[in-house]
Parts: sequence; C-alpha cells; structure tokens
Amino acid sequence: AQKITQTQPGMFVQEKEAVTLDCTYDTSDPSYGLFWYKQPSSGEMIFLIYQGSYDQQNATEGRYSLNFQKARKSANLVISASQLGDSAMYFCAMREEQTGTASKLTFGTGTRLQVTL
Amino acid sequence: DSGVTQTPKHLITATGQRVTLRCSPRSGDLSVYWYQQSLDQGLQFLIQYYNGEERAKGNILERFSAQQFPDLHSELNLSSLELGDSALYFCASSSRLARAETQYFGPGTRLLVL
Repeated sequence: AQKITQTQPGMFVQEKEAVTLDCTYDTSDPSYGLFWYKQPSSGEMIFLIYQGSYDQQNATEGRYSLNFQKARKSANLVISASQLGDSAMYFCAMREEQTGTASKLTFGTGTRLQVTL
Repeated sequence: DSGVTQTPKHLITATGQRVTLRCSPRSGDLSVYWYQQSLDQGLQFLIQYYNGEERAKGNILERFSAQQFPDLHSELNLSSLELGDSALYFCASSSRLARAETQYFGPGTRLLVL
C-alpha cells in the first residue's frame, strides 16, 4: 500500500530565506506521481507542483522546486525567498499511475509552515 | 480560483440528519473526486467518478453515497449523520488532457454535526 510520510509537523522560516519541507513515500508501483498542495488558513487546497517518477529533472514552478531523490524515495519541497503569504499547511501527496482514468491521491499529514519577519 | 465550485460553504446540522453536498468540476473535466479532511483522520479519499460512472472507492462509509450527473456535476449524500462526520469535504476534478491529470480542488464544504 502506498504511504506518504511528512515528519515535520511545524516549521519556521524567516522572510526571504529558503525552506525545505520533507516528504518520503513508499510504493511498489514503478510509475507514480508526486504532488505538493498548499492549504492556507482559509481552507482551500492549492496545487503547487508535480513530479513524475520517470521525470529526469527536478520539477520547478516559480519559487517552488521539488528535490526528487528516487532511490531514497523522497520528494522534498523547496520554497525559495519565503514570503509572509507562504504561511500555510503544506501537503505531500502521491498517486500510483494506472491505465485508464486517474486514481486517488494519498496524502501525508502535512507540515505547518510559519514565515516570520 | 481552481474553477471547481462547491456548495454550500458551510453546513450545520444535527445528528441523524441527511445532507447533500454539491460539486461542479472545472469546465471539461470528466473526473470528480471526493475527499474528507478531519482532525483525526487527515485527508482521506472517499470516491471517484469518471463521466458518470464510479471508478474508485476509498474509505467511504455505507451511510455516504455519491453520484455524478450527465452535466458532470456531482453530489455527495451523507445520511444518519454522527458527530464524527464533522469535517471539511473537498471535491476535486481532473482532466486526462492536463499534465499528470492534476487534481484541482474546490474550496470545500465545512460540515458541523451537533
């Protein structure tokens, strides 16, 4: 069964600094996708970034990048130049690829990031 | 704005009651997913529909049911409600045309059972 582990319940970072949020996963499927979502205090889930298991390069989306280490089964999110608006809960999620229609996401327990002045 | 809409935003009801949560997917998305987010269980997948047909089932209670209509909107029905059903219920949608069939989430319906 697939599993996502986020070991950092909470993190603090100073404004303009970079921060890494950890995520490790477990799956026996050779083909899978890894996602990061942001959940601000208002509650909505915002898609940030995606990494496919066969992607050769680490994904980047603006200030977000994914440090993908397949052999270690880790997919850490790096946020550069943190802003106050980055304060939120961050979830790592995985989907095992299946033929046909898309399948469910399995989420980690999340990391609460607080950006300070 | 993800393009996924959910109504109502908030719902307060009593134990034993039945409620219906509604979701409209992004334009063109055929897949709809329902997730439950609670303090003790975290974010859990409930059920997926694709173009009107049930495709995958997760930890969905027998008291819960869902359907997807021909216009692709979906409804999640929760009956015989218990205190423990209080949670944030998300709908998400995806398209096979989008990279990695990324799931985009609606704003959620916050359910409080008293």
